Amino acid sequence: AQTVTQSQPEMSVQEAETVTLSCTYDTSESDYYLFWYKQPPSRQMILVIRQEAYKQQNATENRFSVNFQKAAKSFSLKISDSQLGDAAMYFCAYANTGNQFYFGTGTSLTVIP
Amino acid sequence: NAGVTQTPKFQVLKTGQSMTLQCAQDMNHEYMSWYRQDPGMGLRLIHYSVGAGITDQGEVPNGYNVSRSTTEDFPLRLLSAAPSQTSVYFCASTMDRYHSYTFGSGTRLTVV
Repeated sequence: AQTVTQSQPEMSVQEAETVTLSCTYDTSESDYYLFWYKQPPSRQMILVIRQEAYKQQNATENRFSVNFQKAAKSFSLKISDSQLGDAAMYFCAYANTGNQFYFGTGTSLTVIP
Repeated sequence: NAGVTQTPKFQVLKTGQSMTLQCAQDMNHEYMSWYRQDPGMGLRLIHYSVGAGITDQGEVPNGYNVSRSTTEDFPLRLLSAAPSQTSVYFCASTMDRYHSYTFGSGTRLTVV
């Protein structure tokens, strides 16, 4: 079975600064996808960024980027120029070849004005 | 708007009652799943389906049943509600893992 670990239950960042959220995963597969989702207080789950395991290049979406270390099974999310609207719960997720998604326990991000 | 529709948004049940959480999607997605979200535990997979007529258990299936008679609908049934089933429930669907999940807006269920 696959497991996803987020070791930081809570993080905080000053507005306009940079923050990195950590995620590690355990798998015996070589073909998989990794995701970061954002869940604001509205409860809606929003896809932030996706990474395909066979791609060595780290994914980037505007102010969001990942550091994907396949050998270390690490997948961290970097948020640059943090904004008040970035405050949310962030979930790391893993998708296997059977299209099953497994989620971490989440990191609650606070943005300090 | 296209997407995943979950009903109801809120529900209070008494212990021992049964109910069905509805989930429907209009994107012709083959893969559908039910998750429960509890504080400090993230989202845990209850049941999933890879297409009409095919369902399977996830990490925490006990106390829940599902069926998939059509591509669009994937209801979750609580057979005899227990306080341990107090949670937020999410239905999600996807074409494939490349396209990631589309989530419903969630159902907050309280069992008293």
